Amino acid sequence: GDSVTQMEGPVTLSEEAFLTINCTYTATGYPSLFWYVQYPGEGLQLLLKATKADDKGSNKGFEATYRKETTSFHLEKGSVQVSDSAVYFCARAAAGNKLTFGGGTRVLVKP
Amino acid sequence: SAVISQKPSRDICQRGTSLTIQCQVDSQVTMMFWYRQQPGQSLTLIATANQGSEATYESGFVIDKFPISRPNLTFSTLTVSNMSPEDSSIYLCSVEDDRVTKQYFGPGTRLTVT
Repeated sequence: GDSVTQMEGPVTLSEEAFLTINCTYTATGYPSLFWYVQYPGEGLQLLLKATKADDKGSNKGFEATYRKETTSFHLEKGSVQVSDSAVYFCARAAAGNKLTFGGGTRVLVKP
Repeated sequence: SAVISQKPSRDICQRGTSLTIQCQVDSQVTMMFWYRQQPGQSLTLIATANQGSEATYESGFVIDKFPISRPNLTFSTLTVSNMSPEDSSIYLCSVEDDRVTKQYFGPGTRLTVT
Protein backbone atom coordinates (compact mmCIF):
# COMPACT_ATOMS: atom_id res chain seq x y z
CA GLY A 1 0.00 0.00 0.00
CA ASP A 2 0.88 3.64 -0.03
CA SER A 3 3.48 4.64 2.51
CA VAL A 4 5.73 7.51 3.45
CA THR A 5 8.96 7.15 5.38
CA GLN A 6 10.74 10.09 6.95
CA MET A 7 13.74 10.37 9.16
CA GLU A 8 13.11 10.02 12.84
CA GLY A 9 13.80 12.85 15.17
CA PRO A 10 14.34 14.68 17.20
CA VAL A 11 16.67 16.83 15.17
CA THR A 12 18.43 19.45 17.25
CA LEU A 13 20.14 22.34 15.50
CA SER A 14 21.65 25.69 16.30
CA GLU A 15 20.17 28.83 14.80
CA GLU A 16 21.32 29.52 11.22
CA ALA A 17 22.24 25.87 10.66
CA PHE A 18 21.19 23.98 7.53
CA LEU A 19 18.23 21.64 7.94
CA THR A 20 17.43 18.56 5.88
CA ILE A 21 14.61 16.15 6.65
CA ASN A 22 14.57 13.09 4.41
CA CYS A 23 11.31 11.73 3.05
CA THR A 24 10.69 8.85 0.66
CA TYR A 25 7.40 7.49 -0.63
CA THR A 26 6.12 4.39 -2.33
CA ALA A 27 5.84 4.89 -6.05
CA THR A 28 2.26 4.03 -6.92
CA GLY A 29 1.50 6.34 -9.78
CA TYR A 30 2.47 9.99 -9.50
CA PRO A 31 1.06 11.26 -6.25
CA SER A 32 1.08 14.84 -5.08
CA LEU A 33 3.53 15.31 -2.23
CA PHE A 34 3.28 17.62 0.76
CA TRP A 35 5.09 18.86 3.80
CA TYR A 36 2.96 19.83 6.77
CA VAL A 37 4.16 21.56 9.91
CA GLN A 38 2.76 21.46 13.42
CA TYR A 39 4.04 24.24 15.67
CA PRO A 40 3.85 23.70 19.44
CA GLY A 41 0.25 23.95 20.60
CA GLU A 42 -1.06 24.64 17.11
CA GLY A 43 -2.85 22.73 14.38
CA LEU A 44 -1.43 21.18 11.27
CA GLN A 45 -0.55 23.61 8.49
CA LEU A 46 0.43 22.99 4.91
CA LEU A 47 4.01 24.16 4.42
CA LEU A 48 4.56 23.34 0.75
CA LYS A 49 3.58 20.92 -1.96
CA ALA A 50 4.60 19.55 -5.34
CA THR A 51 2.27 17.88 -7.79
CA LYS A 52 4.57 16.39 -10.41
CA ALA A 53 8.10 15.20 -10.99
CA ASP A 54 10.83 17.86 -10.75
CA ASP A 55 8.41 20.38 -9.21
CA LYS A 56 9.93 22.39 -6.39
CA GLY A 57 7.68 23.49 -3.57
CA SER A 58 8.83 26.41 -1.48
CA ASN A 59 7.54 28.50 1.40
CA LYS A 60 9.03 30.43 4.34
CA GLY A 61 12.57 29.58 3.18
CA PHE A 62 11.82 25.86 3.03
CA GLU A 63 12.16 23.92 -0.21
CA ALA A 64 11.49 20.39 -1.38
CA THR A 65 11.90 18.90 -4.86
CA TYR A 66 9.80 16.04 -6.18
CA ARG A 67 12.36 13.41 -7.26
CA LYS A 68 10.66 10.65 -9.19
CA GLU A 69 13.86 8.72 -9.82
CA THR A 70 14.61 8.38 -6.11
CA THR A 71 10.96 8.61 -4.93
CA SER A 72 12.01 11.31 -2.51
CA PHE A 73 10.77 14.70 -1.34
CA HIS A 74 13.40 15.92 1.10
CA LEU A 75 12.75 19.14 2.99
CA GLU A 76 15.55 21.70 3.25
CA LYS A 77 16.12 25.10 4.76
CA GLY A 78 19.37 26.94 4.51
CA SER A 79 19.29 28.86 7.77
CA VAL A 80 16.87 27.84 10.48
CA GLN A 81 15.47 30.06 13.20
CA VAL A 82 14.21 29.26 16.66
CA SER A 83 10.70 29.84 15.35
CA ASP A 84 11.15 26.84 13.01
CA SER A 85 11.00 24.49 15.99
CA ALA A 86 8.07 22.23 15.20
CA VAL A 87 7.09 18.77 14.05
CA TYR A 88 7.29 18.28 10.29
CA PHE A 89 5.22 15.70 8.44
CA CYS A 90 5.78 14.47 4.93
CA ALA A 91 2.67 13.22 3.17
CA ARG A 92 1.53 11.83 -0.15
CA ALA A 93 -1.88 11.92 -1.70
CA ALA A 94 -3.47 8.57 -2.43
CA ALA A 95 -6.57 7.62 -4.38
CA GLY A 96 -9.60 9.57 -3.32
CA ASN A 97 -7.44 12.48 -2.16
CA LYS A 98 -6.59 10.70 1.06
CA LEU A 99 -3.30 11.66 2.65
CA THR A 100 -0.79 9.16 3.93
CA PHE A 101 1.58 10.71 6.46
CA GLY A 102 5.09 9.88 7.50
CA GLY A 103 5.86 9.46 11.16
CA GLY A 104 6.79 13.08 11.72
CA THR A 105 10.15 14.63 12.58
CA ARG A 106 10.51 16.88 15.59
CA VAL A 107 12.94 19.75 15.00
CA LEU A 108 14.33 21.80 17.84
CA VAL A 109 16.33 24.91 17.00
CA LYS A 110 18.41 26.34 19.81
CA PRO A 111 19.52 29.97 19.96
CA SER B 1 -8.36 28.94 2.13
CA ALA B 2 -10.94 27.14 4.24
CA VAL B 3 -11.39 27.96 7.90
CA ILE B 4 -12.29 24.96 10.00
CA SER B 5 -13.49 24.86 13.58
CA GLN B 6 -13.93 21.87 15.84
CA LYS B 7 -15.89 21.38 19.03
CA PRO B 8 -14.97 20.55 21.67
CA SER B 9 -11.33 21.56 21.63
CA ARG B 10 -10.60 19.05 24.36
CA ASP B 11 -12.44 16.73 26.70
CA ILE B 12 -11.79 14.21 29.41
CA CYS B 13 -14.19 11.29 29.32
CA GLN B 14 -14.80 8.14 31.26
CA ARG B 15 -14.36 4.75 29.67
CA GLY B 16 -17.53 3.27 28.23
CA THR B 17 -19.02 6.62 27.30
CA SER B 18 -19.25 8.26 23.86
CA LEU B 19 -18.19 11.65 22.58
CA THR B 20 -19.36 13.43 19.44
CA ILE B 21 -16.92 15.82 17.80
CA GLN B 22 -18.21 18.52 15.49
CA CYS B 23 -16.42 19.96 12.47
CA GLN B 24 -17.63 23.17 10.82
CA VAL B 25 -16.20 24.69 7.63
CA ASP B 26 -16.74 28.24 6.43
CA SER B 27 -17.36 27.17 2.83
CA GLN B 28 -19.00 24.31 1.01
CA VAL B 29 -16.68 21.39 0.41
CA THR B 30 -17.23 18.02 -1.15
CA MET B 31 -14.70 15.94 0.70
CA MET B 32 -14.12 15.86 4.44
CA PHE B 33 -11.79 13.55 6.26
CA TRP B 34 -11.34 12.48 9.86
CA TYR B 35 -7.88 11.65 11.20
CA ARG B 36 -6.52 10.42 14.50
CA GLN B 37 -3.18 11.44 15.97
CA GLN B 38 -2.25 9.25 18.91
CA PRO B 39 0.22 10.66 21.44
CA GLY B 40 3.62 11.17 19.84
CA GLN B 41 2.46 9.53 16.62
CA SER B 42 1.66 10.57 13.09
CA LEU B 43 -1.80 11.08 11.65
CA THR B 44 -3.89 8.11 10.59
CA LEU B 45 -6.95 8.46 8.38
CA ILE B 46 -10.10 7.13 9.99
CA ALA B 47 -12.63 7.76 7.25
CA THR B 48 -13.70 9.90 4.32
CA ALA B 49 -17.07 11.63 4.66
CA ASN B 50 -18.81 12.89 1.56
CA GLN B 51 -22.19 14.54 1.71
CA GLY B 52 -25.03 12.33 0.56
CA SER B 53 -23.23 9.04 0.95
CA GLU B 54 -22.03 6.69 3.65
CA ALA B 55 -18.62 7.37 5.07
CA THR B 56 -15.79 5.20 3.79
CA TYR B 57 -13.67 3.72 6.57
CA GLU B 58 -10.01 2.78 6.44
CA SER B 59 -8.70 -0.57 7.50
CA GLY B 60 -8.86 -0.94 11.26
CA PHE B 61 -11.74 1.48 11.74
CA VAL B 62 -15.41 0.50 11.81
CA ILE B 63 -18.68 2.39 11.72
CA ASP B 64 -19.91 0.98 15.01
CA LYS B 65 -16.93 2.47 16.83
CA PHE B 66 -16.64 5.71 14.85
CA PRO B 67 -20.03 6.64 13.39
CA ILE B 68 -19.87 9.71 11.15
CA SER B 69 -22.53 12.06 9.93
CA ARG B 70 -22.29 14.48 7.01
CA PRO B 71 -25.65 16.25 6.79
CA ASN B 72 -24.52 19.07 4.50
CA LEU B 73 -21.52 20.51 2.67
CA THR B 74 -20.19 22.52 5.63
CA PHE B 75 -20.58 20.20 8.61
CA SER B 76 -19.66 16.75 9.86
CA THR B 77 -19.55 14.87 13.15
CA LEU B 78 -17.44 11.99 14.36
CA THR B 79 -18.54 9.98 17.37
CA VAL B 80 -16.06 7.95 19.39
CA SER B 81 -18.20 5.22 20.94
CA ASN B 82 -17.71 3.07 24.01
CA MET B 83 -14.41 4.75 24.71
CA SER B 84 -11.38 3.12 26.24
CA PRO B 85 -8.04 4.70 27.25
CA GLU B 86 -6.61 3.55 23.90
CA ASP B 87 -8.90 6.09 22.22
CA SER B 88 -7.03 8.94 23.87
CA SER B 89 -5.83 10.94 20.87
CA ILE B 90 -6.18 14.14 18.96
CA TYR B 91 -8.96 13.87 16.40
CA LEU B 92 -8.73 16.16 13.40
CA CYS B 93 -11.05 16.89 10.54
CA SER B 94 -9.78 18.14 7.24
CA VAL B 95 -11.30 19.33 3.99
CA GLU B 96 -10.13 19.14 0.44
CA ASP B 97 -10.04 22.28 -1.65
CA ASP B 98 -10.65 20.84 -5.09
CA ARG B 99 -9.42 23.98 -6.83
CA VAL B 100 -5.88 23.87 -5.54
CA THR B 101 -5.30 20.27 -4.43
CA LYS B 102 -4.85 21.23 -0.81
CA GLN B 103 -6.16 19.83 2.41
CA TYR B 104 -6.84 22.13 5.31
CA PHE B 105 -6.95 20.83 8.85
CA GLY B 106 -9.02 21.82 11.81
CA PRO B 107 -7.37 22.64 15.15
CA GLY B 108 -8.12 19.18 16.52
CA THR B 109 -10.00 17.79 19.49
CA ARG B 110 -7.79 16.46 22.26
CA LEU B 111 -9.54 13.51 23.90
CA THR B 112 -8.40 11.87 27.11
CA VAL B 113 -10.18 8.74 28.28
CA THR B 114 -9.79 7.77 31.91
